[in-house]
Amino acid sequence: NAGVTQTPKFRILKIGQSMTLQCTQDMNHNYMYWYRQDPGMGLKLIYYSVGAGITDKGEVPNGYNVSRSTTEDFPLRLELAAPSQTSVYFCASSSSGSGNTIYFGEGSWLTVV
Amino acid sequence: AQSVTQLDSQVPVFEEAPVELRCNYSSSVSVYLFWYVQYPNQGLQLLLKYLSGSTLVKGINGFEAEFNKSQTSFHLRNPSVHISDTAEYFCAVSDPSGANNLFFGTGTRLTVIP
Repeated sequence: NAGVTQTPKFRILKIGQSMTLQCTQDMNHNYMYWYRQDPGMGLKLIYYSVGAGITDKGEVPNGYNVSRSTTEDFPLRLELAAPSQTSVYFCASSSSGSGNTIYFGEGSWLTVV
Repeated sequence: AQSVTQLDSQVPVFEEAPVELRCNYSSSVSVYLFWYVQYPNQGLQLLLKYLSGSTLVKGINGFEAEFNKSQTSFHLRNPSVHISDTAEYFCAVSDPSGANNLFFGTGTRLTVIP
């Protein structure tokens, strides 16, 4: 029972580099999310998607891009990495809208140096 | 706008003792309320949620929470904690008419002492 799978688990980036965090879910969920968690803080929503082909900004979208070409996949693209993007990133999914349980991946630790 | 305040950043408690983790929210509209738990180096998993109905909600591992609309609170309780309950606990809210986006508090680190 895979659930939500994120890769890579750990990554070190140099300032200005770009990378993509991969996320896939096998629960046929329509809704998918990307959150970031900074030390001592709660999670903040970066982007979300309510279905294939539809994405929208969350609280902290600057410096990131997403796409949703399939129901299963929701990659997060970091362009021109900055130290402020050092964080733990969580992908998540839910079957539908408000009130439904959100299932989280195990996280991707990203350090920008 | 919605926000969540978790009043205690760290709560140490002895094994088999009761514990309460406090959560207050601010919202101009009705809300859905959640408690998530994060074990070390893992993602978050749902403990319990309040959508409507009975204000006392029971979750996994003996946890329960009570929705208090007048005090805008959703405190989490456990009458007898175990070592395995050591984790970070997050309170979160969402807008019932929205897209299921969660707004999280800053978390409470529960440490259960043998």
